[in-house]
Amino acid sequence: EAQVTQNPRYLITVTGKKLTVTCSQNMNHEYMSWYRQDPGLGLRQIYYSMNVEVTDKGDVPEGYKVSRKEKRNFPLILESPSPNQTSLYFCASSGPQSWVGVYNEQFFGPGTRLTVL
Amino acid sequence: KQEVTQIPAALSVPEGENLVLNCSFTDSAIYNLQWFRQDPGKGLTSLLLIQSSQREQTSGRLNASLDKSSGRSTLYIAASQPGDSATYLCALYNPSGGGADGLTFGKGTHLIIQP
Repeated sequence: EAQVTQNPRYLITVTGKKLTVTCSQNMNHEYMSWYRQDPGLGLRQIYYSMNVEVTDKGDVPEGYKVSRKEKRNFPLILESPSPNQTSLYFCASSGPQSWVGVYNEQFFGPGTRLTVL
Repeated sequence: KQEVTQIPAALSVPEGENLVLNCSFTDSAIYNLQWFRQDPGKGLTSLLLIQSSQREQTSGRLNASLDKSSGRSTLYIAASQPGDSATYLCALYNPSGGGADGLTFGKGTHLIIQP
């Protein structure tokens, strides 16, 4: 089954304790991205990656890191989590993004609910 | 910068009604528009993707239209059912004025279908 998976689905942690949320897709997609969703603010993009070893900041990158060493994986790293990073996080993927061509359908993971105490 | 507005923010209708959800955007130079459904606390499920050259797409009881000149897309749901209750989001791809990677999401319409 074609899908985007995220782990863990739920996480409660304390301020300053480094954590990683994994994201994996099995559709051979080049494009992957991370979003956070907060009430009243909607979806906000954290980082995105056009391909392996290519990552760029989204609209709210502060406090987050990413890496794209393999095509299928795009982990989100919080080096020193703070309470304002409590949120619902989504990973998404799609085929190649083309500035002049067709934008492909986005597929989302099930989400990771993070609470930072 | 592209702005995407979804009105109303919330909608409650009796089961069986046909309904229309709206998505408006300020920059008509979009490449595509996608409608999603999100159940509470869950991920986004793609419903329909309309390319800029298309005017509508249909899937079962759902029909999405796109009018770039007026900066508007609508999602039509026929014969609504309680299982349609969810938040519906639109997202569009606009390299010249969208988010960091050209993608902009609306904040969604929270739909409740009363049995």
